[in-house]
Amino acid sequence: GQNIDQPTEMTATEGAIVQINCTYQTSGFNGLFWYQQHAGEAPTFLSYNVLDGLEEKGRFSSFLSRSKGYSYLLLKELQMKDSASYLCAVRDSDYKLSFGAGTTVTVRA
Amino acid sequence: IAGITQAPTSQILAAGRRMTLRCTQDMRHNAMYWYRQDLGLGLRLIHYSNTAGTTGKGEVPDGYSVSRANTDDFPLTLASAVPSQTSVYFCASSEGDSDTQYFGPGTRLTVL
Repeated sequence: GQNIDQPTEMTATEGAIVQINCTYQTSGFNGLFWYQQHAGEAPTFLSYNVLDGLEEKGRFSSFLSRSKGYSYLLLKELQMKDSASYLCAVRDSDYKLSFGAGTTVTVRA
Repeated sequence: IAGITQAPTSQILAAGRRMTLRCTQDMRHNAMYWYRQDLGLGLRLIHYSNTAGTTGKGEVPDGYSVSRANTDDFPLTLASAVPSQTSVYFCASSEGDSDTQYFGPGTRLTVL
C-alpha cells in the first residue's frame, strides 16, 4: 500500500510563490501525479513525474526525488483562481492511484 | 465532446435502499474507475475496470458492485445503502491503465 502525506492547508498572497510538499512510502512506485480540485468540482490533472527532476508547465512546476520519496508542486505568480485543493497521487506497480488527503491553498489579495 | 458524465448530480437515499450511480464516457477510454472522497481521507478507489468485460476491486470495495458491459458505461451499485456510504463519488477514465486519469463531475450521495 501507500502512505502519502501532504500539509492540510496553506495560505499565500496574490503574486507570491507557494510550494506544496508531498512525501510518500510505497511498495511499488510507477509515477506521481498532481491534481487540482476547486471546491465542489472534479479533480483536474496538473502534472506527472516518473523520473527524478523538475517538470515545468507555465506557472506550475513539479519536482520528484524517488530516493527520498518526495515531491513538491510549485505554484508561481499566484492568482486568486489558484485557490483550490491540490492532490498528490502515487501510482503503484499495478497502475493504481493512491491519493493524499489534499492541501487546501488559499490565495489572499 | 462531453468527456465523462455522471448521474445523478446529488441524491438523498434512505438506508437499506438500492442505488445505482451512472458513469458514461465518450472518449473511448479502455480503463474506468470509481472513487469516493471523504473529508480528511482523500480519494479512495472502490472498483476499477481495465477494459470492457473485466472489473477489479480497489481499496474499499465492500458494499459496492460494478459492471462493465461496454466501453462507455461503468455503473456503480449500492445494494443496500448504509450511512457510512455518504460521500462524494467520482468516476474517472484513462486511455489505458498506465495513462493519466480524468475525472467526472461527481455525485454527492447522502444516506440517512
